[in-house]
Amino acid sequence: RKEVEQDPGPFNVPEGATVAFNCTYSNSASQSFFWYRQDCRKEPKLLMSVYSSGNEDGRFTAQLNRASQYISLLIRDSKLSDSATYLCVVAPRRQGNLIFGKGTKLSVKP
Amino acid sequence: DAGVIQSPRHEVTEMGQEVTLRCKPISGHDYLFWYRQTMMRGLELLIYFNNNVPIDDSGMPEDRFSAKMPNASFSTLKIQPSEPRDSAVYFCASTAGGWGTEAFFGQGTRLTVV
Repeated sequence: RKEVEQDPGPFNVPEGATVAFNCTYSNSASQSFFWYRQDCRKEPKLLMSVYSSGNEDGRFTAQLNRASQYISLLIRDSKLSDSATYLCVVAPRRQGNLIFGKGTKLSVKP
Repeated sequence: DAGVIQSPRHEVTEMGQEVTLRCKPISGHDYLFWYRQTMMRGLELLIYFNNNVPIDDSGMPEDRFSAKMPNASFSTLKIQPSEPRDSAVYFCASTAGGWGTEAFFGQGTRLTVV
């Protein structure tokens, strides 16, 4: 089983739609969780951290289920500018590295 | 701060040649990571350093790959000899404090080995 698994997509949605991405991780000792965004031919950038209680940043909501080892990202009222690849990222406990999923590609159409 | 700086941005080389990729992390960051990204395998961690010391190089594909960090402001990733399957985008990233903190990536080096 891969350490971090995501549905690769692509997700093709119209503007204004709500879209949800899921991610599972294999290491139950993982400590920190993130969603990164990567635009085409650009570097990944932090979108938001994911906390056990769930957290929201504008149109974006992230949730973590430690028991199921599952992370989600919900985007409401999709904009054209949301088109990108969304990377699920896990930081193992007591290690310095970040483990990236392969990403889910989102394409928002007019 | 200018962010993480990588050079060159693009590199095209012939099979068998030596390739050196360079990275300048953000000043004050104590962790530095080298990642490789391909369509097939996504982002793979090659090696990371903490305070200039290599901590985990288990992701380095084979002996042809080597990485150094002679000081806090500079790191290199060397491939010798290069092979076509090494073609990928190589990213350098740095963080202040390791896991749990935001990783800042350079713009990457797009390597093509022909």
